Amino acid sequence: SQQGEEDPQALSIQEGENATMNCSYKTSINNLQWYRQNSGRGLVHLILIRSNEREKHSGRLRVTLDTSKKSSSLLITASRAADTASYFCATDRGNTGKLIFGQGTTLQVKP
Amino acid sequence: GAVVSQHPSRVICKSGTSVKIECRSLDFQATTMFWYRQFPKQSLMLMATSNEGSKATYEQGVEKDKFLINHASLTLSTLTVTSAHPEDSSFYICSARERVDSYGYTFGSGTRLTVV
Repeated sequence: SQQGEEDPQALSIQEGENATMNCSYKTSINNLQWYRQNSGRGLVHLILIRSNEREKHSGRLRVTLDTSKKSSSLLITASRAADTASYFCATDRGNTGKLIFGQGTTLQVKP
Repeated sequence: GAVVSQHPSRVICKSGTSVKIECRSLDFQATTMFWYRQFPKQSLMLMATSNEGSKATYEQGVEKDKFLINHASLTLSTLTVTSAHPEDSSFYICSARERVDSYGYTFGSGTRLTVV
């Protein structure tokens, strides 16, 4: 079963612009992770934010987490055409080690 | 970093035949691996958890007799789609954690299965 929703489902922007994707989840979490998937490929881990953290940065990525609203956002600054991919948030189901994925956002960055 | 190798990347098989997909952790031991299924333009659905030396645990709604999982060693898990049908056509992806207490997961590159 899916953990939650992501919005928007699809996002198209120009190179250089910022892209913001949102993720909501339903149950309590230990951490939330964001992954990237290029078309027809496996997933690449981008960033992890723990439940006691509110914001985290990694290069051009900025992730926020609001546990009271059960939501997270991923901001990609100064986007590049190479950022074109699908982005998924994922949460662990309790302490099972199972990752449950959101619906994903498909990002297209036009050169 | 940790690497998970998944093979084959693409496979086409006839209805009624079985297909085996391998997932190997190349530079670490994985006591647990996870298998996901992904339909076009959709998210990943967790199918089962593969445990080394014991039976896999399946998510609700996943047919264990159709999707056979074997985790015979600390570096290899296999998913066998038995008596495949066109509706089994999908993208299958495995993942593993380098350590039980690690939060980072490494994913294989996926297998595109087409049943004709």
